[in-house]
Order: sequence, then structure tokens, then C-alpha cells
Amino acid sequence: TQLLEQSPQFLSIQEGENLTVYCNSSSVFSSLQWYRQEPGEGPVLLVTVVTGGEVKKLKRLTFQFGDARKDSSLHITAAQPGDTGLYLCAGVSPEETSGSRLTFGEGTQLTVNP
Amino acid sequence: KAGVTQTPRYLIKTRGQQVTLSCSPISGHRSVSWYQQTPGQGLQFLFEYFSETQRNKGNFPGRFSGRQFSNSRSEMNVSTLELGDSALYLCASSLAYFLLGEETQYFGPGTRLLVL
Repeated sequence: TQLLEQSPQFLSIQEGENLTVYCNSSSVFSSLQWYRQEPGEGPVLLVTVVTGGEVKKLKRLTFQFGDARKDSSLHITAAQPGDTGLYLCAGVSPEETSGSRLTFGEGTQLTVNP
Repeated sequence: KAGVTQTPRYLIKTRGQQVTLSCSPISGHRSVSWYQQTPGQGLQFLFEYFSETQRNKGNFPGRFSGRQFSNSRSEMNVSTLELGDSALYLCASSLAYFLLGEETQYFGPGTRLLVL
């Protein structure tokens, strides 16, 4: 079973601060996704990274996939209250993997205070 | 375009009962995946169906089963409910087989199941 460790679990910061969320594993993933989930709703996909070393930017959010495709990070610049939510990373294991091929991190509950 | 819909939204059952949850994917989507979300275990993958066939299964006991119909709608069944089955059950749909890695999946709002 593949494991994906996400840290930190909880983060409470002031508006305007920067933050980074990490997802780490000893397993190689063929792709990794980041989601944001708000109370009472299902997760919403933010980005998919596929290539080792890939960096993708979505406005103030920067996503990076590790060179070995075992880890990823999400960096938010100048956080705003609207960024508040549960951030989840999810790794898709290669096709030859037995068992479940989709693994989620535990999630990071981010609160941005005005 | 309507999003993914799940019914019912809330459900209360007692131990030993069984439950069936329903998911209608976005029109044109052929893949449906199911997930369980709990405070302790987080979000866990249950299974994915594509073209009425189960393509991948998570690490859950056989009490959890599902099926997909020719119109892509899907149902998930949990038999002999246990207290630990209390969770938010999420369904997601995508155009094609999601675990090929390039597809975007869209989640529904979930069914919150409470087992007493």
C-alpha cells in the first residue's frame, strides 16, 4: 500500500503571509494532484503534475512535483481569507501497481485570518 | 451543465443494515469513482467504474460493492453496516478512465452516512 504523508495537518496564518504544504512518499507516482475542499462540498481539482521536476502556477499558488516523482509541494503567496479550506494531495500509482492505485494525503486544514 | 449529483444527501442507519447510495455523473462522463472520507482516515479510494466495469478497487472489505449502469449512473452498496462505516461518501465522475492519470474528475457533494 502506498502512503502519502502530508504536512502540516493544520495551519493558521494571517492574511498576506506565505505558506508551503508538503506531500511526501517513498513510492513513485505517475501523477500527483492537488485538491481544495470546502465544508459541505466535494474536493475541487486545483492542478495535476505529471513530469518529475514540473512546476505549475495558478495565480498565487505554485505547485512542484519532485524530480523523482515521490513528493510534491504547494506554495501560496500572500494568502487571502478565500484560500481557507482543506488542501489534499493525491498520488496516482503506476498501472502495474497491485491494489488501490489512488492514495490521498491526510489533508492540510488552512485557515487564513483577515 | 449539471454537476455530479448524489442521493440521498444524508442517511441514518443502524448496525447490521445495508445501504445503497446513488451517483449520477456529469452528462457525457463515463467514469465514476467512489471515496470514503472520515476524520480519522481521511479520504480513501473505494473503486472506479468505467463502461460498467470495475477498473480498480481500494483496500476495503467485500461488504463494499458497487455497480455502474449503461447510462453511467452508479450505485454503491454497503452490507452489514458497522459503526466505523459512518462517513461522507463521495462520488466523482470523469470523461474517461480516471486512473490513466490525465483525466480531471469532478466530485459531487457527498452522502453523509451515520451508523448507530
